[in-house]
Amino acid sequence: RKEVEQDPGPFNVPEGATVAFNCTYSNSASQSFFWYRQDCRKEPKLLMSVYSSGNEDGRFTAQLNRASQYISLLIRDSKLSDSATYLCVVPTGGFKTIFGAGTRLFVKA
Amino acid sequence: ETGVTQSPTHLIKTRGQQVTLRCSSQSGHNTVSWYQQALGQGPQFIFQYYREEENGRGNFPPRFSGLQFPNYSSELNVNALELDDSALYLCASSLGGTAGEKLFFGSGTQLSVL
Repeated sequence: RKEVEQDPGPFNVPEGATVAFNCTYSNSASQSFFWYRQDCRKEPKLLMSVYSSGNEDGRFTAQLNRASQYISLLIRDSKLSDSATYLCVVPTGGFKTIFGAGTRLFVKA
Repeated sequence: ETGVTQSPTHLIKTRGQQVTLRCSSQSGHNTVSWYQQALGQGPQFIFQYYREEENGRGNFPPRFSGLQFPNYSSELNVNALELDDSALYLCASSLGGTAGEKLFFGSGTQLSVL
């Protein structure tokens, strides 16, 4: 089993739609989690941190399910500008941070 | 902008050559991590430097090496380049030297090995 797994997509959604991505992780000791956004061949940028059960920031909601070892990202009222790859990031303790392969989202007019 | 700068932005090398990539960390950050991102993949952890010492390494061979300087800037060196080394190399700075810190990335160096 990979340390961090994501559905690669792509997810193709119309503007205004709600879309959700899941990410599963294998290290039960991980305490904090992150979602990064990456535009095509650009650097990843922090979108949200998830330290406990969840976090909400405007149209974006991240949730953590420790029992099932997954985190999710929900995007409401999708905008064209939300089109990007969303990377699930799981620190494994110590020094190492593991990135998922990313989920591609395309929002269409 | 994150304040993390990488150079060069693009590089073309041939197999067997050596390359050095550079990264200046964000002001106040003492930790630099390097990642390799192949097309269509997520960033893969190469190693991390904390206060001038390597304090963690991913599954990369010894021909991948690095340095961190007293001003916390860093270099990634790759010897005996192989075709599969073609990728985007990302540097990220953070404060604290542990996982769980927010990472601030530079814009990367696109390396092509021919």
